[in-house]
Amino acid sequence: ETGVTQSPTHLIKTRGQQVTLRCSSQSGHNTVSWYQQALGQGPQFIFQYYREEENGRGNFPPRFSGLQFPNYSSELNVNALELDDSALYLCASSLDREETQYFGPGTRLLVL
Amino acid sequence: DQQVKQNSPSLSVQEGRISILNCDYTNSMFDYFLWYKKYPAEGPTFLISISSIKDKNEDGRFTVFLNKSAKHLSLHIVPSQPGDSAVYFCAASDRNDYKLSFGAGTTVTVRA
Repeated sequence: ETGVTQSPTHLIKTRGQQVTLRCSSQSGHNTVSWYQQALGQGPQFIFQYYREEENGRGNFPPRFSGLQFPNYSSELNVNALELDDSALYLCASSLDREETQYFGPGTRLLVL
Repeated sequence: DQQVKQNSPSLSVQEGRISILNCDYTNSMFDYFLWYKKYPAEGPTFLISISSIKDKNEDGRFTVFLNKSAKHLSLHIVPSQPGDSAVYFCAASDRNDYKLSFGAGTTVTVRA
């Protein structure tokens, strides 16, 4: 059974650029959630995708967008990067929107 | 608006003794609670969960207690081992919402 994987592991961008982060869900899981974890804080929910449809969204601006593919992998896109977007971005997968979510290792994004 | 609070940022405990981590929540709609453990440079790892219909759940050295009237839960680790040194996050879910709301985490250090 393959766990949740994310790419890249680290990324450096400059303010105003765009970034795409990728996530492969755990084998058999059809639900992917994205979280942002700032330093010293707990993860904050960005949005969730279930069977290729957005299933809920947290308090993040529209420049945060996502996609889920037929194989249930997912992308997180962030446009017009701001310095405050520097954080660890975590992807989590689950089966049929179950509460227990399994996390990947995260992508560390630094915006300069 | 922080709906899940972990008021102790750190905890130091001697190897072999009990670790008790506390978590409070404000949203009465939360009905499922989870604990995650996180090592540096890794994603959160699911430890144990509890539904609001129960007041206790055990899994090996880990026990979670839920007090719904006080909107409080705790995680007991007995006995504590050096490998338990990590950041522990409390998370909660509303069955109608599917997202996880996290506390800020408690850093546990197990001393030899």
